[in-house]
Amino acid sequence: KAGVTQTPRYLIKTRGQQVTLSCSPISGHRSVSWYQQTPGQGLQFLFEYFSETQRNKGNFPGRFSGRQFSNSRSEMNVSTLELGDSALYLCASSLEGQGGNQPQHFGDGTRLSIL
Amino acid sequence: AQSVTQPDIHITVSEGASLELRCNYSYGATPYLFWYVQSPGQGLQLLLKYFSGDTLVQGIKGFEAEFKRSQSSFNLRKPSVHWSDAAEYFCAAGYNNNDMRFGAGTRLTVKP
Repeated sequence: KAGVTQTPRYLIKTRGQQVTLSCSPISGHRSVSWYQQTPGQGLQFLFEYFSETQRNKGNFPGRFSGRQFSNSRSEMNVSTLELGDSALYLCASSLEGQGGNQPQHFGDGTRLSIL
Repeated sequence: AQSVTQPDIHITVSEGASLELRCNYSYGATPYLFWYVQSPGQGLQLLLKYFSGDTLVQGIKGFEAEFKRSQSSFNLRKPSVHWSDAAEYFCAAGYNNNDMRFGAGTRLTVKP
């Protein structure tokens, strides 16, 4: 069974631009969560999608948005990029979602660098 | 507030020595508990999980964890560390309200 796939693996953008990251979950998994990981703040929860609906949201500004498609694939968008958005963005999928007894399976992440 | 605390930011152990990584959670009730490991440049890999029942849980790569309700702890252990265990380790807790929290992580360095 293929794991969680995130594309691209690396991205370099400049301030003010926008970016879209993609995540393909494990087949059969309906929940996709996104996290931002930085050396200073650690692993921070962005949002979770389940059956095309945002079910949970972390404490991030509206510049961060996402969506989920009918095949459970998810995209995350960041608009008006700032230097502080440089981070590793991780996607995780699970059968039913966060917090339950289903562990999350993580992709290898997209490393976003803002110049 | 619900939270997960990993008191040790960085731990160094010698190869072959035993290892214990600490994790404490703060929840209204016993959450589901997980340990993940992250190697540089990669995502998180699940080591083990605790839902209920036997408080000593076995995981992959020779790791185990013990749940102690009285101490709100879920510490990760390994009897003999290998150089390949050098990585960052995350404790996580989840509850039925679809809220998953991660600790800040503990970076493990293994000395030859």
